[in-house]
Amino acid sequence: EIELTQSPDSLAVSLGERATLNCKSSRSVLYSSNNRNYLAWYQQKPGQPPKLLIYWASTRESGVPDRFSGSGSGTDFTLTISSLQAEDVAVYYCQQYYSIPTLSFGGGTKVEI
Amino acid sequence: QLQLQESGPGLVKPSETLSLTCTVSGDSVTNTDFYWGWIRQPPGKGPEWSGSVYSSGGTYYNPSLKGRLTVSLDTSKNQISLTLRSVTAADTAVYFCVRQSRARTFDIFWGQGTLVTVSS
Repeated sequence: EIELTQSPDSLAVSLGERATLNCKSSRSVLYSSNNRNYLAWYQQKPGQPPKLLIYWASTRESGVPDRFSGSGSGTDFTLTISSLQAEDVAVYYCQQYYSIPTLSFGGGTKVEI
Repeated sequence: QLQLQESGPGLVKPSETLSLTCTVSGDSVTNTDFYWGWIRQPPGKGPEWSGSVYSSGGTYYNPSLKGRLTVSLDTSKNQISLTLRSVTAADTAVYFCVRQSRARTFDIFWGQGTLVTVSS
C-alpha cells in the first residue's frame, strides 16, 4: 500500500503571498513505461466533494486558475499557490492513482489566511 | 453526461449493517473500461478508498475494511451497492460513489456523496 504524507498540517498565508504544500509518497508513483507521475491534487471546501486541481503531478485541470501549479517526481511533490486569494481557503489533498483501483490520499493541508 | 447519485439511510445503529446504493446515469456499469466503487471521508479527515468492482466481477477492497465490506453491481438497475457489516462510530463518514478508468490514465469521477452517521 502506498502511503502519502502531507506537510504542513496547516498553513497561514497572507493574501497575495505564495503557499507551498508538500506531499511525500512511501513509494515512487512514477510509471517508467510512460514517464508519468500518478499523483493528483484536490481542493476541498466545507460541505463539498473534493475538486480536482492537478493530475499527472503537474497538469492543471481545465478551468483551474494558473496560480495553482504542481511539481515533483517519484516520491516528492509540491502544490504551489503563487498568489493566495480569499477563495483559496480550503483543505488540499494529494492522491496517488499508481496502483489502481487502489487509491490513497494524504492527510491534507489546511490553508488559511 | 455522467452522473453518480448516492442514496441510503443517513443514520445506522452500531453493530448493524450499512447499505448504500449509487445510481449511474450517462454510462453503464457493464462498461468494462471502468472500475466502480466507493470512497469515504470521516468528518475532519482525508478521503479513504474503500473498495471497487468491475463488470467481470473482480472486486478489490481496502485491507482495513476487508471482511466487513461488499461492493457489487446491479446491472438491471445500473447501480453500484455498498454493504458494510458490524458498523461502529468509526464508520461515520461521507460516502462517495466513484468511477475510475481501468487504463493507466487519469479518469476519476466522483458523486456528490452522502453522509452516514453511526449512532444509537
